[in-house]
Amino acid sequence: DMKVTQMPRYLIKRMGENVLLECGQDMSHETMYWYRQDPGLGLQLIYISYDVDSNSEGDIPKGYRVSRKKREHFSLILDSAKTNQTSVYFCASSLGTGSSAETLYFGSGTRLTVL
Amino acid sequence: GQQVKQSSPSLTVQEGGILILNCDYENDMFDYFAWYKKYPDNSPTLLISVRSNVDKREDGRFTVFLNKSGKHFSLHITASQPEDTAVYLCAAGALQGGSAKLIFGEGTKLTVSS
Repeated sequence: DMKVTQMPRYLIKRMGENVLLECGQDMSHETMYWYRQDPGLGLQLIYISYDVDSNSEGDIPKGYRVSRKKREHFSLILDSAKTNQTSVYFCASSLGTGSSAETLYFGSGTRLTVL
Repeated sequence: GQQVKQSSPSLTVQEGGILILNCDYENDMFDYFAWYKKYPDNSPTLLISVRSNVDKREDGRFTVFLNKSGKHFSLHITASQPEDTAVYLCAAGALQGGSAKLIFGEGTKLTVSS
């Protein structure tokens, strides 16, 4: 069963705390992504990872960093969270090579609130 | 500025009707165009996509039209059904190998009334 799993589903943190959002996929996809969704702005790309330890900034990387030590796992880290990082975060993966390689498979999202 | 823009934040259509969702983009290097569908509290899923070497792709009730010179693509839905009620996100990007840094539009909330 092809799946992208995000943990946790809901998270409340205080300003200045560290935040770790986890994402896993069981499809051996090469490429993984972190997006955030805010009202009126659509999905904005934070980081893209082309494979283990091969990460690239997206459009809004400031305030975030990522870690990909295993192909099936991609983490988003907020060091010292800010209130403007309150958002819904989506992880996604894509095959990376071959037919329909560009199709994104999304996780269920993590709703992060920074107080 | 927004590189990918959807002109309508919301649309309502009667069941059985035809509707068109529009999307404009700025970067003429984009060569991959997609529409994703999102139900409330669910993740986006790919509905239909097209590469820049064609100007139309049809899949059942859904058709994507691509106008590269106008930097515009659209989604046509025929015989609309209540289960089409969702948020539709257009996305565009430049393929690098098999991956694309997709830029998404703001979304259009579609309501199909019965």
